[in-house]
Amino acid sequence: GQNIDQPTEMTATEGAIVQINCTYQTSGFNGLFWYQQHAGEAPTFLSYNVLDGLEEKGRFSSFLSRSKGYSYLLLKELQMKDSASYLCAVMDSNYQLIWGAGTKLIIKP
Amino acid sequence: GAVVSQHPSWVICKSGTSVKIECRSLDFQATTMFWYRQFPKQSLMLMATSNEGSKATYEQGVEKDKFLINHASLTLSTLTVTSAHPEDSSFYICSATSGREYNEQFFGPGTRLTVL
Repeated sequence: GQNIDQPTEMTATEGAIVQINCTYQTSGFNGLFWYQQHAGEAPTFLSYNVLDGLEEKGRFSSFLSRSKGYSYLLLKELQMKDSASYLCAVMDSNYQLIWGAGTKLIIKP
Repeated sequence: GAVVSQHPSWVICKSGTSVKIECRSLDFQATTMFWYRQFPKQSLMLMATSNEGSKATYEQGVEKDKFLINHASLTLSTLTVTSAHPEDSSFYICSATSGREYNEQFFGPGTRLTVL
């Protein structure tokens, strides 16, 4: 079966750094996405990784290891507005997105 | 670019009525559109995938006669919840891909359906 695992909830402090991990087992791999979703809103795109390594985009970075079936999203200089759910999704061999359950990130002052 | 709109943003209806939700790609042609449902504190659940001019492909457990999907053009897909019941109350989100780049899905803002 296809499976995406990520922690249910994480708590971090404003100004700090947090790493959200995602492991996956899918039939084929055509890239891994990270989305941010605030409560009551639709997801918004954060990053896409298809090759191994780190992709940096401002305060957010995403890492991928295809051999390990592993990715992480790194958020630096946390701000209160970063409180949201972070969804990991893998595109399988049929170009279908397989979604993780999301990680709820709580930022404390 | 790559904006997707949904209408209505929220709807309240009586049990037994039908509700139509529209999803439009505003500045690109969407080769494929997806319909998701999300219950509170849960992840997105894919309901169906539709390509313009062909029948939608429904996920297991999704009743195709209850959730009617029409993808009549490259910029418009509609989801009709027929004979809605309170258990159909949910957040319905559409997304669209243009077939370019890495098949990134662009999401609409979602429609919150409450069935009384």
